[in-house]
Amino acid sequence: GAGVSQSPRYKVAKRGQDVALRCDPISGHVSLFWYQQALGQGPEFLTYFQNEAQLDKSGLPSDRFFAERPEGSVSTLKIQRTQQEDSAVYLCASSSGHLNTEAFFGQGTRLTVV
Amino acid sequence: AQRVTQPEKLLSVFKGAPVELKCNYSYSGSPELFWYVQYSRQRLQLLLRHISRESIKGFTADLNKGETSFHLKKPFAQEEDSAMYYCAVNTNAGKSTFGDGTTLTVKP
Repeated sequence: GAGVSQSPRYKVAKRGQDVALRCDPISGHVSLFWYQQALGQGPEFLTYFQNEAQLDKSGLPSDRFFAERPEGSVSTLKIQRTQQEDSAVYLCASSSGHLNTEAFFGQGTRLTVV
Repeated sequence: AQRVTQPEKLLSVFKGAPVELKCNYSYSGSPELFWYVQYSRQRLQLLLRHISRESIKGFTADLNKGETSFHLKKPFAQEEDSAMYYCAVNTNAGKSTFGDGTTLTVKP
């Protein structure tokens, strides 16, 4: 595709509801990253995949957050029992995986928990 | 742990004036530093990286390891430069730590 695609663009969830956010990286990109961006702040790292392997999930804020990339392409970030503090823009980025390579970002999914 | 500080939330200059967006970092290893830009209603995109030593859209940034800084500069700001700018440092794995961003407004 032309770039990293994320869906949905906007999601409103009631507190306690589960949500799933999708990321389609650039075809052939090995590395995939998820970031959380709260209002007025920079993106904060959540988790990183190299192909289907989740190599770093140190940024996931709680065990309610789960990410997968089962076939090494599309990734899903799932948030269970959403809380108001989960409201943020969730950004996905992909890169070729080579050293110093550029990461390409999606448009993000804006999650609002009410 | 790595940390990136952008001390100015907002920066406003007139068209044609020089602009400098400040970035300081802390990182124990050998840093890879980047500037990203987000124009209104667009996605975050790479502006430049220190290792390339390039000038993009008239912007340059020099890595100063002694001061742990990577300030972004442009000698003559243009209205189309108005955007949000993020400084970021990468680990070896490629994950980025971002600053909180500076909103640059270039007034006519």
